[in-house]
Amino acid sequence: GAVVSQHPSWVICKSGTSVKIECRSLDFQATTMFWYRQFPKQSLMLMATSNEGSKATYEQGVEKDKFLINHASLTLSTLTVTSAHPEDSSFYICSAPPGASGRARGGELFFGEGSRLTVL
Amino acid sequence: AQSVTQLDSQVPVFEEAPVELRCNYSSSVSVYLFWYVQYPNQGLQLLLKYLSGSTLVKGINGFEAEFNKSQTSFHLRKPSVHISDTAEYFCAVSSNTGTASKLTFGTGTRLQVTL
Repeated sequence: GAVVSQHPSWVICKSGTSVKIECRSLDFQATTMFWYRQFPKQSLMLMATSNEGSKATYEQGVEKDKFLINHASLTLSTLTVTSAHPEDSSFYICSAPPGASGRARGGELFFGEGSRLTVL
Repeated sequence: AQSVTQLDSQVPVFEEAPVELRCNYSSSVSVYLFWYVQYPNQGLQLLLKYLSGSTLVKGINGFEAEFNKSQTSFHLRKPSVHISDTAEYFCAVSSNTGTASKLTFGTGTRLQVTL
């Protein structure tokens, strides 16, 4: 089956620094990837839709300048948390629908393992 | 717009007992329905999905779910749970519009299986 991989799995950084999280589709091409944020014991909240070769689409309330998304190739999307602060600490998960067209088989998504960010 | 409601935040159950995790949804268009499982500090894994056809859907690890359009429900069931089923379970809905699908998740149900 399709595999999505995230790196790093864990990251701890000082307040004010920037952190980059990578999301890769390992055995398929993904023109679209989704970035979710999950707070402890809560559901996943969609942050943005990453589009290969064009700007990301952000959900309402998500700061574009805080969460920079780059989808430079058909297999890689990156999320950069800029000038991170403790309130940015969270579990970030990416996902992608299988298929180069971006159209999922009935809406199914494949998820990465997640990246836990802790900002001190 | 669409939404998903998982009324039970936690469900404790003894090993080998049956379990049902409830999920209700609302949408103005036809939907696809999913159940995902999340183990601690991991991403989500698809358990099963309803796209069309038979309303009873069988998934991995012995789970099944039944789509009930009149009650707008998609409850997840397993006749006999195992300790390893302890995890967070998320119900999700997609309307599959546009070029890529967006999933809307419920708040999750923590299944705690004990001996």
